[in-house]
Amino acid sequence: QVQLVQSGAEVKKPGASVKVSCKASGYTFTSYGISWVRQAPGQGLEWMGWISAYNGNTNYAQKLQGRVTMTTDTSTSTAYMELRSLRSDDTAVYYCARKGGLGAPDDYWGQGTLVTVSS
Amino acid sequence: EIVLTQSPGTLSLSPGERATLSCRASQSVSSSYLAWYQQKPGQAPRLLIYGASSRATGIPDRFSGSGSGTDFTLTISRLEPEDFAVYYCQQYGSSPPEYTFGQGTKLEIK
Repeated sequence: QVQLVQSGAEVKKPGASVKVSCKASGYTFTSYGISWVRQAPGQGLEWMGWISAYNGNTNYAQKLQGRVTMTTDTSTSTAYMELRSLRSDDTAVYYCARKGGLGAPDDYWGQGTLVTVSS
Repeated sequence: EIVLTQSPGTLSLSPGERATLSCRASQSVSSSYLAWYQQKPGQAPRLLIYGASSRATGIPDRFSGSGSGTDFTLTISRLEPEDFAVYYCQQYGSSPPEYTFGQGTKLEIK
């Protein structure tokens, strides 16, 4: 069965970076992409971007351009999301999700990773 | 950026009733690339509907989606206790990609 297992919770200081991992299993990793979505406490969902595991192409949300980098390691079927220059309003649960490519929705989701930014 | 506006913000209904949730887009959604997700407290979102009207794998047929262009609807024909949750719509067709979500509709037990 399709599973996405994310790394554990993180606490970071303002200005630091965080890198969240998402290990996929149960399907051919390079046939899909990985989306990243975050949710601030008590708030709605915010799309961050996605990466094609086939060719590494990325699309990022405009508001995060320059601070976010998404990568994949096809040898371990793992996707990564790095967010730099963290601010308090980056405190959120970060989700990865499997995406079938352009024009496809996010059909399986990871369990989420809480990132807390606090001095 | 396509802005999605969901209404109502909160919907109070009883089990067995019919729920109708709305999602309106600020501009036409390409090829009906509109999805609906359900989220329960402490859980990840779950895909219900994609392509505006196709049910995802394992989703009961009491969930249905409709609409095109700028107006979309999620209907739950007869509410079960497990259906009370927050529902989000998302468009995933914009170019360049900026796949926005609506702000959510909370479906609560009356």
